[in-house]
Amino acid sequence: QLQLHESGPGLVKPSETLSLTCSVPGASVSSFHYWWAWVRQPPGKGLEWIGTRSYHDSAFYNESLKSRLTIYLDSSNQFSLRLDSVTAADTAVYYCAVRSGYGRAFDVWGQGTMVTVSS
Amino acid sequence: DTQMTQSPSTLSASVGDRVTITCRASQSVDLWLAWYQQKPGKAPELLIDQVSNLEDGVPSRFSGSASGTEFTLTISSLQADDVATYYCHQYSLYPISFGGGTKVEIK
Repeated sequence: QLQLHESGPGLVKPSETLSLTCSVPGASVSSFHYWWAWVRQPPGKGLEWIGTRSYHDSAFYNESLKSRLTIYLDSSNQFSLRLDSVTAADTAVYYCAVRSGYGRAFDVWGQGTMVTVSS
Repeated sequence: DTQMTQSPSTLSASVGDRVTITCRASQSVDLWLAWYQQKPGKAPELLIDQVSNLEDGVPSRFSGSASGTEFTLTISSLQADDVATYYCHQYSLYPISFGGGTKVEIK
């Protein structure tokens, strides 16, 4: 059973870059069958898809974030998010998630990490 | 982009009641529709994908169905443990999208 673990700073200053990492112990992010994703949830609000990347396909990004966003597979068992020029609107719980096969939805999620953008 | 309109936004029902949550897609998503349950302070958990495929370990009182672009999550007999917010999710086309959520409470 896959497990996902997010890590990153809890506090980021406005205009700076947010970097988050999702570790996947015991699995390879280069596996053909996995689609890795980030989803966020502002306080008291619903879920917002950020972007998805797989080893064998292009990255797909939320159009509203595309100009500031990079999702990449940065080692055998982790993938990362980089969001530039953050504002208070980027304050949210950030989740990493995975689709573990064709036709599956996001069947495994990390526990989430709260990111606050504030000076 | 595919918009997912979920209703109601909140729902209050008694233990044992049959509960229905609806999600309407602005265009066809074929069978690529999922439902998640999110309890306060926790990550979402997949209940159902491909419209009606129940995830392992999910109680059989949960079920999903579709009629065209309208999708339904049904809880056949509401239990106290079902208090949560439920989200529909289309993963047919990028950008993938979520419904706005339905908060289920016990009356």
